[in-house]
Amino acid sequence: GAVVSQHPSWVICKSGTSVKIECRSLDFQATTMFWYRQFPKQSLMLMATSNEGSKATYEQGVEKDKFLINHASLTLSTLTVTSAHPEDSSFYICSATWASGRVEQYFGPGTRLTVT
Amino acid sequence: TQLLEQSPQFLSIQEGENLTVYCNSSSVFSSLQWYRQEPGEGPVLLVTVVTGGEVKKLKRLTFQFGDARKDSSLHITAAQPGDTGLYLCAGFSNSGYALNFGKGTSLLVTP
Repeated sequence: GAVVSQHPSWVICKSGTSVKIECRSLDFQATTMFWYRQFPKQSLMLMATSNEGSKATYEQGVEKDKFLINHASLTLSTLTVTSAHPEDSSFYICSATWASGRVEQYFGPGTRLTVT
Repeated sequence: TQLLEQSPQFLSIQEGENLTVYCNSSSVFSSLQWYRQEPGEGPVLLVTVVTGGEVKKLKRLTFQFGDARKDSSLHITAAQPGDTGLYLCAGFSNSGYALNFGKGTSLLVTP
């Protein structure tokens, strides 16, 4: 089956610093990747959709200057949380699809971000 | 945004019991998906239901899609501790191919 990895699995950073999270499709080319955020005991909330080689589309209420998304290749998307604050602490999950359309998304294992 | 409401939000049962989890919406979906998520991990797809009235079985799990394609249910027979996790339903948004997730049902099965 299709495998999506995320790195790091967990990260602790100080308030005001930036942190980068990587999402990789290991055995397929991902034309589209999605970034979700999940707070404890809550569901996944879509943050943005990124297509390879183009700018990401952000959901309403998500600050694009704070959450920088780069999808520079067909196997890698990155999410950079800039000037992180404690309220950015969350579980960040990416998913990837091999085609543009309503096809199955393959989810990564998530990255736990804690901002102190 | 098409909202998906799940009930119950929490469920704690003993091993061997049966349970049903519901996913409801006022919107029509072309398909609905069910995922299971364990703590600290990403969600794993269990099933996709596409046709109104469709019933799919996955071992002790039975999934049903409502005739009007606005709701779905997940029934687990003889629950086991390994069934413990967060069950999420999800559907594609009208505007594209991003997934909208319900709030989830957190299931705890105790021995």
